[in-house]
Amino acid sequence: ILNVEQSPQSLHVQEGDSTNFTCSFPSSNFYALHWYRWETAKSPEALFVMTLNGDEKKKGRISATLNTKEGYSYLYIKGSQPEDSATYLCASAGNMLTFGGGTRLMVKP
Amino acid sequence: GAGVSQSPRYKVAKRGQDVALRCDPISGHVSLFWYQQALGQGPEFLTYFQNEAQLDKSGLPSDRFFAERPEGSVSTLKIQRTQQEDSAVYLCASSLGTGDMGTEAFFGQGTRLTVV
Repeated sequence: ILNVEQSPQSLHVQEGDSTNFTCSFPSSNFYALHWYRWETAKSPEALFVMTLNGDEKKKGRISATLNTKEGYSYLYIKGSQPEDSATYLCASAGNMLTFGGGTRLMVKP
Repeated sequence: GAGVSQSPRYKVAKRGQDVALRCDPISGHVSLFWYQQALGQGPEFLTYFQNEAQLDKSGLPSDRFFAERPEGSVSTLKIQRTQQEDSAVYLCASSLGTGDMGTEAFFGQGTRLTVV
């Protein structure tokens, strides 16, 4: 994998559903993997910065896992709420952040 | 202010006009980045500063794009002779760390440039 790729591009879920999406990144020369949440008309905000293989981080209903050997990270949202609607960006870190295209999540009440 | 500030928030430019976009990073942040986000896509890297030094400008799409950070704080992204394909959101981010990006980046709200 040469670029950072995210899937799916967009996702519609009902309130209360749990969901997850994927970030794939180059596993060679890995340094860190960032997850950001970007709500409409606001700045992207950092959710997690992950560096260790096997790392799992959690913030409220949102958690993320990291596999640096195979080059992927999963973001999970448990019991989605309408306020979770946003674009979720992952980025592979080196001298700069290289972003994936994002996953646009829409949670219907 | 406490966060990264960008101005203007919105800019409409006539094709061929020059524009200047400003970024005020968080005080003390060494690293500053500019990204371009086209509609429906993720942010694309433009350029990176460490203090006043522009260490990477490989993402600038053409020689019409120029960025500076003369005193290692405020940065300006200038686009000369704007074209319609320059229409995008331009995001600025700053980080306390240098190089390795193990620390999180803090983003401004972006400048939405529309070239008509």
